[in-house]
Amino acid sequence: QVHLQESGPGLVKPSGTLSLTCTVSGWSVSADYWNWIRQTAGAGLEWMGRIYPPGTTYSNPSLQSRITMSLDKSKNQVFLRLTSVTAADTGVYFCARGSSNSFDIWGLGTMVAVSS
Amino acid sequence: DTQMSQSPSSISASVGDRVTITCRASQSVSDYVNWYQVKTGKAPPRLIFPGSSLSGTVSSRFSGSGSGTEFTLTISGLQPEDVATYYCQQSYDFPWTFGQGTKVEIK
Repeated sequence: QVHLQESGPGLVKPSGTLSLTCTVSGWSVSADYWNWIRQTAGAGLEWMGRIYPPGTTYSNPSLQSRITMSLDKSKNQVFLRLTSVTAADTGVYFCARGSSNSFDIWGLGTMVAVSS
Repeated sequence: DTQMSQSPSSISASVGDRVTITCRASQSVSDYVNWYQVKTGKAPPRLIFPGSSLSGTVSSRFSGSGSGTEFTLTISGLQPEDVATYYCQQSYDFPWTFGQGTKVEIK
Protein backbone atom coordinates (compact mmCIF):
# COMPACT_ATOMS: atom_id res chain seq x y z
CA GLN A 1 0.00 0.00 0.00
CA VAL A 2 1.34 3.40 -0.96
CA HIS A 3 1.63 5.86 1.91
CA LEU A 4 2.79 9.49 1.94
CA GLN A 5 3.68 11.39 5.11
CA GLU A 6 4.47 15.10 5.23
CA SER A 7 6.66 16.45 8.02
CA GLY A 8 8.32 19.69 9.04
CA PRO A 9 8.12 22.66 11.40
CA GLY A 10 4.61 23.73 12.24
CA LEU A 11 5.66 27.33 12.77
CA VAL A 12 7.77 29.56 10.52
CA LYS A 13 8.61 33.23 11.07
CA PRO A 14 7.59 35.83 8.48
CA SER A 15 10.25 36.31 5.78
CA GLY A 16 11.68 32.92 6.71
CA THR A 17 11.85 29.67 4.75
CA LEU A 18 9.31 26.86 4.94
CA SER A 19 10.91 23.43 4.52
CA LEU A 20 8.87 20.23 4.32
CA THR A 21 9.63 16.57 3.69
CA CYS A 22 7.34 13.99 2.11
CA THR A 23 8.32 10.43 3.01
CA VAL A 24 6.98 7.82 0.61
CA SER A 25 6.50 4.17 1.53
CA GLY A 26 5.24 1.31 -0.59
CA TRP A 27 6.36 2.95 -3.85
CA SER A 28 9.59 4.29 -5.30
CA VAL A 29 9.94 8.05 -5.78
CA SER A 30 11.81 7.15 -8.99
CA ALA A 31 8.70 5.63 -10.51
CA ASP A 32 6.35 8.64 -10.78
CA TYR A 33 6.11 12.41 -10.42
CA TRP A 34 5.35 14.09 -7.12
CA ASN A 35 3.35 17.18 -6.35
CA TRP A 36 2.99 19.72 -3.58
CA ILE A 37 -0.48 21.15 -2.97
CA ARG A 38 -1.59 23.50 -0.23
CA GLN A 39 -4.85 24.64 1.28
CA THR A 40 -4.88 28.23 2.49
CA ALA A 41 -7.66 30.50 3.68
CA GLY A 42 -7.08 32.91 0.83
CA ALA A 43 -6.55 30.67 -2.20
CA GLY A 44 -8.29 27.43 -1.21
CA LEU A 45 -6.57 24.40 -2.74
CA GLU A 46 -3.57 25.42 -4.84
CA TRP A 47 -1.19 23.24 -6.85
CA MET A 48 2.30 24.48 -6.00
CA GLY A 49 4.53 22.40 -8.23
CA ARG A 50 5.78 18.98 -9.27
CA ILE A 51 9.03 17.12 -9.58
CA TYR A 52 9.94 14.33 -12.01
CA PRO A 53 12.83 12.01 -11.20
CA PRO A 54 15.72 12.66 -11.34
CA GLY A 55 14.90 16.30 -10.73
CA THR A 56 12.96 18.16 -13.42
CA THR A 57 10.54 20.59 -11.79
CA TYR A 58 7.52 22.64 -12.84
CA SER A 59 6.15 25.31 -10.55
CA ASN A 60 3.00 27.35 -10.36
CA PRO A 61 3.91 30.77 -11.82
CA SER A 62 2.34 32.37 -8.75
CA LEU A 63 5.16 30.85 -6.65
CA GLN A 64 7.92 30.36 -9.19
CA SER A 65 10.48 32.68 -7.68
CA ARG A 66 10.05 31.30 -4.13
CA ILE A 67 9.70 27.53 -4.54
CA THR A 68 12.31 24.80 -4.77
CA MET A 69 11.62 21.06 -4.95
CA SER A 70 14.00 18.12 -4.80
CA LEU A 71 14.04 14.42 -4.07
CA ASP A 72 16.33 11.85 -2.48
CA LYS A 73 15.97 8.41 -4.05
CA SER A 74 18.07 6.73 -1.36
CA LYS A 75 15.70 7.93 1.37
CA ASN A 76 12.57 7.78 -0.84
CA GLN A 77 11.73 11.36 0.09
CA VAL A 78 10.55 14.49 -1.68
CA PHE A 79 11.33 18.00 -0.40
CA LEU A 80 9.74 21.44 -0.59
CA ARG A 81 11.31 24.82 0.20
CA LEU A 82 9.32 28.02 0.07
CA THR A 83 11.18 31.24 0.78
CA SER A 84 10.11 34.70 1.95
CA VAL A 85 6.95 33.41 3.60
CA THR A 86 4.13 35.65 4.80
CA ALA A 87 0.93 35.05 6.71
CA ALA A 88 -0.73 34.25 3.38
CA ASP A 89 1.37 31.06 3.25
CA THR A 90 -0.29 29.71 6.41
CA GLY A 91 -2.19 26.54 5.66
CA VAL A 92 -2.13 22.78 5.25
CA TYR A 93 0.53 21.41 2.91
CA PHE A 94 0.04 18.10 1.09
CA CYS A 95 2.26 15.96 -1.06
CA ALA A 96 0.56 13.82 -3.69
CA ARG A 97 1.60 11.29 -6.30
CA GLY A 98 0.84 12.16 -9.89
CA SER A 99 -0.78 9.57 -12.14
CA SER A 100 -3.33 9.55 -15.00
CA ASN A 101 -3.39 13.37 -15.11
CA SER A 102 -4.48 13.55 -11.49
CA PHE A 103 -3.28 13.41 -7.90
CA ASP A 104 -4.08 9.79 -7.21
CA ILE A 105 -2.64 9.39 -3.70
CA TRP A 106 -2.27 12.13 -1.10
CA GLY A 107 -0.65 12.40 2.29
CA LEU A 108 -2.52 13.46 5.41
CA GLY A 109 -1.13 16.97 5.14
CA THR A 110 0.80 19.05 7.62
CA MET A 111 -0.27 22.37 9.09
CA VAL A 112 2.17 25.27 8.80
CA ALA A 113 1.58 28.62 10.47
CA VAL A 114 3.57 31.73 9.58
CA SER A 115 3.80 33.93 12.63
CA SER A 116 6.34 35.79 14.72
CA ASP B 1 -5.01 30.31 -15.65
CA THR B 2 -8.17 28.23 -16.14
CA GLN B 3 -10.68 29.13 -13.42
CA MET B 4 -12.90 26.40 -11.99
CA SER B 5 -16.17 27.54 -10.39
CA GLN B 6 -18.24 25.20 -8.25
CA SER B 7 -21.86 25.46 -7.23
CA PRO B 8 -23.40 25.37 -4.78
CA SER B 9 -20.82 26.38 -2.16
CA SER B 10 -22.67 24.23 0.38
CA ILE B 11 -25.53 21.79 0.37
CA SER B 12 -27.52 20.11 3.13
CA ALA B 13 -29.36 16.92 2.21
CA SER B 14 -30.95 13.91 3.86
CA VAL B 15 -29.47 10.42 4.03
CA GLY B 16 -30.41 8.63 0.83
CA ASP B 17 -30.83 11.80 -1.24
CA ARG B 18 -29.21 12.31 -4.61
CA VAL B 19 -26.68 15.17 -4.46
CA THR B 20 -25.30 16.94 -7.53
CA ILE B 21 -22.37 19.35 -7.55
CA THR B 22 -21.55 21.40 -10.64
CA CYS B 23 -18.16 22.65 -11.75
CA ARG B 24 -17.70 25.13 -14.62
CA ALA B 25 -14.39 25.85 -16.32
CA SER B 26 -13.52 29.31 -17.69
CA GLN B 27 -12.39 27.62 -20.95
CA SER B 28 -12.65 24.15 -22.39
CA VAL B 29 -10.69 21.52 -20.48
CA SER B 30 -11.90 18.60 -22.64
CA ASP B 31 -12.62 15.82 -20.14
CA TYR B 32 -9.59 16.44 -17.95
CA VAL B 33 -11.41 16.91 -14.66
CA ASN B 34 -10.82 15.21 -11.33
CA TRP B 35 -12.93 15.22 -8.17
CA TYR B 36 -11.59 14.87 -4.62
CA GLN B 37 -13.17 14.46 -1.20
CA VAL B 38 -11.50 16.43 1.60
CA LYS B 39 -12.02 15.74 5.29
CA THR B 40 -9.96 17.36 8.06
CA GLY B 41 -7.10 15.15 9.13
CA LYS B 42 -7.56 12.57 6.38
CA ALA B 43 -5.73 11.99 3.11
CA PRO B 44 -8.05 13.20 0.33
CA PRO B 45 -9.11 10.32 -1.91
CA ARG B 46 -9.43 10.87 -5.65
CA LEU B 47 -13.01 10.02 -6.58
CA ILE B 48 -13.12 10.67 -10.33
CA PHE B 49 -10.29 11.08 -12.87
CA PRO B 50 -10.26 12.23 -16.51
CA GLY B 51 -12.87 10.64 -18.74
CA SER B 52 -15.33 10.59 -15.80
CA SER B 53 -13.61 7.45 -14.59
CA LEU B 54 -14.30 6.14 -11.10
CA SER B 55 -11.22 5.50 -8.98
CA GLY B 56 -10.82 1.82 -8.12
CA THR B 57 -11.47 1.93 -4.39
CA VAL B 58 -14.32 4.46 -4.49
CA SER B 59 -17.98 3.57 -3.92
CA SER B 60 -20.11 3.30 -7.07
CA ARG B 61 -22.60 5.78 -5.58
CA PHE B 62 -20.15 8.45 -6.80
CA SER B 63 -20.23 9.30 -10.50
CA GLY B 64 -18.89 12.06 -12.70
CA SER B 65 -19.93 13.43 -16.05
CA GLY B 66 -19.26 16.29 -18.42
CA SER B 67 -16.85 17.63 -20.99
CA GLY B 68 -15.77 20.99 -22.31
CA THR B 69 -16.67 23.53 -19.63
CA GLU B 70 -19.40 21.91 -17.53
CA PHE B 71 -18.98 18.97 -15.18
CA THR B 72 -20.98 17.31 -12.43
CA LEU B 73 -20.29 15.05 -9.49
CA THR B 74 -23.29 13.03 -8.33
CA ILE B 75 -23.68 11.16 -5.08
CA SER B 76 -26.51 8.66 -5.53
CA GLY B 77 -27.82 7.94 -2.07
CA LEU B 78 -26.02 10.24 0.38
CA GLN B 79 -24.48 8.46 3.37
CA PRO B 80 -23.28 9.94 6.70
CA GLU B 81 -19.66 9.15 5.77
CA ASP B 82 -20.01 11.39 2.69
CA VAL B 83 -20.00 14.54 4.84
CA ALA B 84 -16.98 16.39 3.46
CA THR B 85 -15.92 19.18 1.14
CA TYR B 86 -15.67 18.21 -2.53
CA TYR B 87 -13.33 19.83 -5.04
CA CYS B 88 -13.08 19.66 -8.80
CA GLN B 89 -9.70 20.12 -10.47
CA GLN B 90 -8.65 20.50 -14.10
CA SER B 91 -5.54 18.83 -15.50
CA TYR B 92 -5.88 20.12 -19.09
CA ASP B 93 -3.41 22.97 -18.85
CA PHE B 94 -0.84 24.37 -16.45
CA PRO B 95 -1.11 25.45 -13.79
CA TRP B 96 -3.57 22.77 -12.72
CA THR B 97 -6.35 24.52 -10.80
CA PHE B 98 -9.07 23.63 -8.31
CA GLY B 99 -12.60 24.81 -7.71
CA GLN B 100 -13.37 26.59 -4.46
CA GLY B 101 -15.10 23.56 -2.94
CA THR B 102 -18.62 22.42 -2.06
CA LYS B 103 -19.39 21.50 1.55
CA VAL B 104 -21.85 18.62 1.89
CA GLU B 105 -23.74 18.17 5.15
CA ILE B 106 -26.51 15.92 6.42
CA LYS B 107 -29.85 17.60 7.09
